[in-house]
Amino acid sequence: GQQVQQSPASLVLQEGENAELQCNFSSTATRLQWFYQHPGGRLVSLFYNPSGTKHTGRLTSTTVTNERRSSLHISSSQTTDSGTYFCAIGIMNYNQGKLIFGQGTKLSIKP
Amino acid sequence: AQTIHQWPVAEIKAVGSPLSLGCTIKGKSSPNLYWYWQATGGTLQQLFYSITVGQVESVVQLNLSASRPKDDQFILSTEKLLLSHSGFYLCAWSLPWGSSYEQYFGPGTRLTVL
Repeated sequence: GQQVQQSPASLVLQEGENAELQCNFSSTATRLQWFYQHPGGRLVSLFYNPSGTKHTGRLTSTTVTNERRSSLHISSSQTTDSGTYFCAIGIMNYNQGKLIFGQGTKLSIKP
Repeated sequence: AQTIHQWPVAEIKAVGSPLSLGCTIKGKSSPNLYWYWQATGGTLQQLFYSITVGQVESVVQLNLSASRPKDDQFILSTEKLLLSHSGFYLCAWSLPWGSSYEQYFGPGTRLTVL
């Protein structure tokens, strides 16, 4: 089965609304990273957050490792937040650099 | 500051033709390097990783090969392209494992196989 499940698959909001993206994973993740992919393809790391809560600007990531879930909260969304958000996990095996990506959440912010 | 460069930016190639994609990391000594592939509209899948010059491990078999001829260079290639090779190829780097596992991605190469 799919090891990383993201929800919703897509989300349309009005500018100024808050967005909540979810990531659930089926394996014991020792590493977790959130990425933003620009519409043109560039992938940017937002958070490396295997546990706990981290903030940067309008973004907050919260990971509860023993419940196998993580969330990404975007407050006061802007049109420039539009794009696809990926959650990726790393599990404990010989390939410590392997990231398993979810299917992504496509976010569209309307002006 | 470290920079990651990929070339070419985009390629249109015929089925059966050879391919070589490159990735260079500047400003970071002995990084771990990774190749990922993304089908159009899909998720990312790790193809190869390398923790040192001359050593490359395959993660997924897609009739592709990779090499690391220099500390800062990672090459992805094949002698014969398939239609299924179309997509977006991303190179990434991280610090050596144990120091940090966060990965940083390059701008990518978009490949169309006709």
